[in-house]
Amino acid sequence: DGGITQSPKYLFRKEGQNVTLSCEQNLNHDAMYWYRQDPGQGLRLIYYSQIVNDFQKGDIAEGYSVSREKKESFPLTVTSAQKNPTAFYLCASSILSANTEAFFGQGTRLTVV
Amino acid sequence: QKEVEQNSGPLSVPEGAIASLNCTYSDRGSQSFFWYRQYSGKSPELIMSIYSNGDKEDGRFTAQLNKASQYVSLLIRDSQPSDSATYLCAVNGRDSNYQLIWGAGTKLIIKP
Repeated sequence: DGGITQSPKYLFRKEGQNVTLSCEQNLNHDAMYWYRQDPGQGLRLIYYSQIVNDFQKGDIAEGYSVSREKKESFPLTVTSAQKNPTAFYLCASSILSANTEAFFGQGTRLTVV
Repeated sequence: QKEVEQNSGPLSVPEGAIASLNCTYSDRGSQSFFWYRQYSGKSPELIMSIYSNGDKEDGRFTAQLNKASQYVSLLIRDSQPSDSATYLCAVNGRDSNYQLIWGAGTKLIIKP
């Protein structure tokens, strides 16, 4: 089945620790996105990538890093510089078109312990 | 700053009634418009897309677009308790570098 797979579903981070969230898609989409969602809030864009080996900062990139070494993969690292990382993280992908929707993975819930 | 505005709600609607969700956007060059439904703790799922002025119907859902007023709405007929969710409006514009611009969502509660 085609789709987007995020892992893990739940992740716990200790203070000062870096953690990496995985996102893989087999939809052959060029564009991939990472969003953060806090309780009762909308989606905020962290990073996006439209081509391999290139990515752009979104609205809240500070404390996060990404890579795009393969078209299918767009992992997100939450670094220790992100002081309030507890949130629901969503990965999405789309084709590069002005008339296309985004497809989402099932999300990763990150909690600081 | 391109913006998409939604009333955060919650919007409470009796079961069987029509739920009306509204969204306004600032970018006049916007070309495509989407409604996503998000259940608590889950990821958003696409329920409707609309690209031209007028109405588009799919089952109990109708999307309405008025580009002159920069307004898009979603009507849910015969509302069911399973429709209780947050509805996100997203807009993809000519000048947005193919990115979707998201509203903050409207929480809909269908009361039995």
